[in-house]
Amino acid sequence: QKEVEQNSGPLSVPEGAIASLNCTYSDRGSQSFFWYRQYSGKSPELIMFIYSNGDKEDGRFTAQLNKASQYVSLLIRDSQPSDSATYLCAVLGSNYKLTFGKGTLLTVNP
Amino acid sequence: KAGVTQTPRYLIKTRGQQVTLSCSPISGHRSVSWYQQTPGQGLQFLFEYFSETQRNKGNFPGRFSGRQFSNSRSEMNVSTLELGDSALYLCASSLAEWAAETQYFGPGTRLLVL
Repeated sequence: QKEVEQNSGPLSVPEGAIASLNCTYSDRGSQSFFWYRQYSGKSPELIMFIYSNGDKEDGRFTAQLNKASQYVSLLIRDSQPSDSATYLCAVLGSNYKLTFGKGTLLTVNP
Repeated sequence: KAGVTQTPRYLIKTRGQQVTLSCSPISGHRSVSWYQQTPGQGLQFLFEYFSETQRNKGNFPGRFSGRQFSNSRSEMNVSTLELGDSALYLCASSLAEWAAETQYFGPGTRLLVL
């Protein structure tokens, strides 16, 4: 059973649209939730983290958490070609291990 | 402020050999975590060190080991290399243990096992 699941994509959106990335997790005791962006050939960089149910906004990015449904999402508003990358969802579980999903490849078309 | 540095950046080894990878964390960061990234399995947690102690370990065989020094620098070692060990090995440092919100990744060491 996979612990953190993401749609592998690729997800393709036009420039200026909203990109919606989803993630589910299996460990109900998970405490913290993270979204990383990884450009091809580069290492992951943290873009958002969320601990509590609800929404958290940072610029064009909004993270949403629903612990009852064990669901995390990332919305990217006004998507830009520079947002084209693989987005990794990561969950800090009850065992204090950070588990990553396999990532969703996002392509923003000009 | 300098970021996380990893050496070497690229490495080619043959099956059965062993390898040691090095990671220098961001100044002031005391926790170092290691990850393996492959196209098939994605990014997988290897282990985390804090104050020279291994705090957590992922599901990897005992051939994978590591250590942390008093200056927070860390090394990981893989013995008896197998073809499947070919991967990008990423080190990440954070201010404190389990403080993933402060975690920054290094550029990685790409290991090819022939």
